[in-house]
Amino acid sequence: EPEVTQTPSHQVTQMGQEVILRCVPISNHLYFYWYRQILGQKVEFLVSFYNNEISEKSEIFDDQFSVERPDGSNFTLKIRSTKLEDSAMYFCASSLAVSSTDTQYFGPGTRLTVL
Amino acid sequence: GESVGLHLPTLSVQEGDNSIINCAYSNSASDYFIWYKQESGKGPQFIIDIRSNMDKRQGQRVTVLLNKTVKHLSLQIAATQPGDSAVYFCAEKGRDDKIIFGKGTRLHILP
Repeated sequence: EPEVTQTPSHQVTQMGQEVILRCVPISNHLYFYWYRQILGQKVEFLVSFYNNEISEKSEIFDDQFSVERPDGSNFTLKIRSTKLEDSAMYFCASSLAVSSTDTQYFGPGTRLTVL
Repeated sequence: GESVGLHLPTLSVQEGDNSIINCAYSNSASDYFIWYKQESGKGPQFIIDIRSNMDKRQGQRVTVLLNKTVKHLSLQIAATQPGDSAVYFCAEKGRDDKIIFGKGTRLHILP
């Protein structure tokens, strides 16, 4: 069964450093998403991406964040200058379409720890 | 506004019994709801969904009930097994393409 994969599984970085989280969505999916989950809290939407551009972003997704689909398979989330409060699990998701009933499939997540 | 929440942070159920996990939502315009299961160290896993034009939908050992009058959603798991231990989130597909998650209920299975 196809699945969303993410690397690395755990990333430790110093405050102020740049990090890139990587995702490989399901191959025939067209819509891509990033979510985050701070420890013990609910999963929060960050951004959605379609046709090589951001279709929607939340207030969390400020200028420090960016997304990119550098090739036909990868989807990345970059945090330019990490802050302590960026420590969280980051989940990538993908869906075939964006209709209201189209299922988003989630990857296993990357745990980001900012020291 | 758009928000989805769950009634209880934890629920303990005897193995073999049925589990009922509840969720209340506030946006009466919501038209699509999803239940996700999240095991420790993993991402949310789709369980079952329901559209607002339905009251009930059944899957394998799971049933979702939707009461639009009181804006209440529930997930029923039949014959709960140890592998059902996880955090369960109800979620709403918003007006656009983002999913809005509730806070989650941790389901403990008692032997």
